[in-house]
Amino acid sequence: GQQVMQIPQYQHVQEGEDFTTYCNSSTTLSNIQWYKQRPGGHPVFLIQLVKSGEVKKQKRLTFQFGEAKKNSSLHITATQTTDVGTYFCAAPIINTDKLIFGTGTRLQVFP
Amino acid sequence: DTGVSQNPRHKITKRGQNVTFRCDPISEHNRLYWYRQTLGQGPEFLTYFQNEAQLEKSRLLSDRFSAERPKGSFSTLEIQRTEQGDSAMYLCASSQPTGGINTGELFFGEGSRLTVL
Repeated sequence: GQQVMQIPQYQHVQEGEDFTTYCNSSTTLSNIQWYKQRPGGHPVFLIQLVKSGEVKKQKRLTFQFGEAKKNSSLHITATQTTDVGTYFCAAPIINTDKLIFGTGTRLQVFP
Repeated sequence: DTGVSQNPRHKITKRGQNVTFRCDPISEHNRLYWYRQTLGQGPEFLTYFQNEAQLEKSRLLSDRFSAERPKGSFSTLEIQRTEQGDSAMYLCASSQPTGGINTGELFFGEGSRLTVL
């Protein structure tokens, strides 16, 4: 069945370093969403990408949707301790609004 | 508070007992989702509703699990004859799809943590 995989599973960085997580799907996606979950918290929506090759920025966060709409990335420039958490991508199953979540990338930032 | 509300927040039960969780979505949202999350894993889809209609139920869900949304507002998730493997965080989310290929962002509740002894 349709799967969404993320790499890496964990990333430890020094504060100020950059961070990137990648999301890959086995099938073409109509859209992709990104969520952040702080330790002990619940997932919080960050952004949705819809168009092929789309790039969106939110301050230090840059989101990209691949040309083939089968992969996506989230890049954080100059990480801060407030960026700590697990970042999930999520995508709908084909022809449905059933959202499946990726495996997540846990980011740890050392001051 | 106009966000998604879940209760109870924590439930400890003995194996074999039944438990029920309630989710109150954001009032104008017609979609409601249930997910299960275990430590270190992503949310795992269980089921979702459009208004009162249950659109899909995960094949991972055994017959011990049932969800309802009788009036298209709040929803309940019941687990019968709980097993230790049911221990997890049960997350509810609601959304208002905007149509087309825009799925609509999910607004999650704080979750209901189940511990089965």
